[in-house]
Amino acid sequence: RKEVEQDPGPFNVPEGATVAFNCTYSNSASQSFFWYRQDCRKEPKLLMSVYSSGNEDGRFTAQLNRASQYISLLIRDSKLSDSATYLCVVNLFNGGATNKLIFGTGTLLAVQP
Amino acid sequence: NAGVTQTPKFRVLKTGQSMTLLCAQDMNHEYMYWYRQDPGMGLRLIHYSVGEGTTAKGEVPDGYNVSRLKKQNFLLGLESAAPSQTSVYFCASSYLKRGSYEQYFGPGTRLTVT
Repeated sequence: RKEVEQDPGPFNVPEGATVAFNCTYSNSASQSFFWYRQDCRKEPKLLMSVYSSGNEDGRFTAQLNRASQYISLLIRDSKLSDSATYLCVVNLFNGGATNKLIFGTGTLLAVQP
Repeated sequence: NAGVTQTPKFRVLKTGQSMTLLCAQDMNHEYMYWYRQDPGMGLRLIHYSVGEGTTAKGEVPDGYNVSRLKKQNFLLGLESAAPSQTSVYFCASSYLKRGSYEQYFGPGTRLTVT
């Protein structure tokens, strides 16, 4: 079983749609959680951190369920510019000695005009 | 503030050749990392460094060596390139923020080994 699993997609949605991505992680010791965005042939960039209470940044909402080891990202009112691959990322922070980010393989979103 | 930079951006090697990839960051970050990204595999950690003069192995270290002689630079070496090392290589750096380490990535190096 992969440490971080995501639906690879692609998700093809019209502009203005609401789309949700899900992610599960296998290591219950995971400490921190992130969503990164990666445009085609570019580097990953941090989209948002995911906090236990859930958090929102504009059109983006992230949720964490530690009991189910599940993370989600909701994008409302999709824009063409949201088209990218969204990476679910988990941090196995261990006092600094073995800080590791574990990346999912990503979910591809294509927003259609 | 250039962030994280990588050189070169592209490279083609023949099997058995060697090369060094350079990563530089100007954010005074303690941690630096080298990843490779292959289709369907996600990013995989090759080596990382928690400070100047220290390095450690990641998930896929075989065939690679690293050095961190200066805080701002992290070098990745391939001593004898193999076709299996064809990949996109990303460098990243990070600092401690709110108990977690957010990572900032360079633009990547596309390496082809023939």
